[in-house]
Amino acid sequence: QSALTQPASVSGSPGQSITVSCTGTSSDVGGYNLVSWYQQHPGKAPKFIIYEVSKRPSGVSDRFSGSKSGNTASLTISGLQAEDEADYYCCSYAGNSIRLFGGGTKVTVL
Amino acid sequence: QVTLRESGPALVKPTQTLTLTCTFSGFSLSTSGMCVSWVRQPPGKALEWLALIDSADDKYYLPSLKTRLTISRDTSKNQVVLRMTNVDPVDTATYYCVRTYWDTRQEFDFWGQGSLVTISS
Repeated sequence: QSALTQPASVSGSPGQSITVSCTGTSSDVGGYNLVSWYQQHPGKAPKFIIYEVSKRPSGVSDRFSGSKSGNTASLTISGLQAEDEADYYCCSYAGNSIRLFGGGTKVTVL
Repeated sequence: QVTLRESGPALVKPTQTLTLTCTFSGFSLSTSGMCVSWVRQPPGKALEWLALIDSADDKYYLPSLKTRLTISRDTSKNQVVLRMTNVDPVDTATYYCVRTYWDTRQEFDFWGQGSLVTISS
């Protein structure tokens, strides 16, 4: 199993929407509706923001949304705010209780 | 409220065995669907899932590291232990202890603050 593929960086202006992609294979992203997303600010532990592709945990802003098509999952941040500047990681179940993370995407608010 | 805290050595010599302990509260690993994983992050790099132990005491490992890892639990102490043998400088990373509540598919919903481990002679 290989790490999931994410773009190294994505940027947008305040108020805009951006999308971070996460590409895997039919053995992980495409095979299960078990993709989750995490936000990580510098020097901090990751924060859980999306699970089961598109579900938001309690307390997470509805500006964060998730989707999936085929072997690619996506995280969309709408109404981009300065506080959204962080690293974002996807993670997928890959069968046999294995989990795979993506390489991470640095989101910059211009 | 759910909390997890990692503890262990900050510095380990190459070829030695690294032992990390996760002490948690706010949930029981005996509850059906509860799992605890170890996830690591080398400095400036991505997260990497290493191992998971569940409420049935079943254990799962990243295949590429399976021969070097052992995960175990002490339910009475609310602790999960990770042992990694024959460490190398590439194993230098922050190691996180993380909860999953599988019954609701909430994967890695709570994280410890992380424990930075440096592998160096």
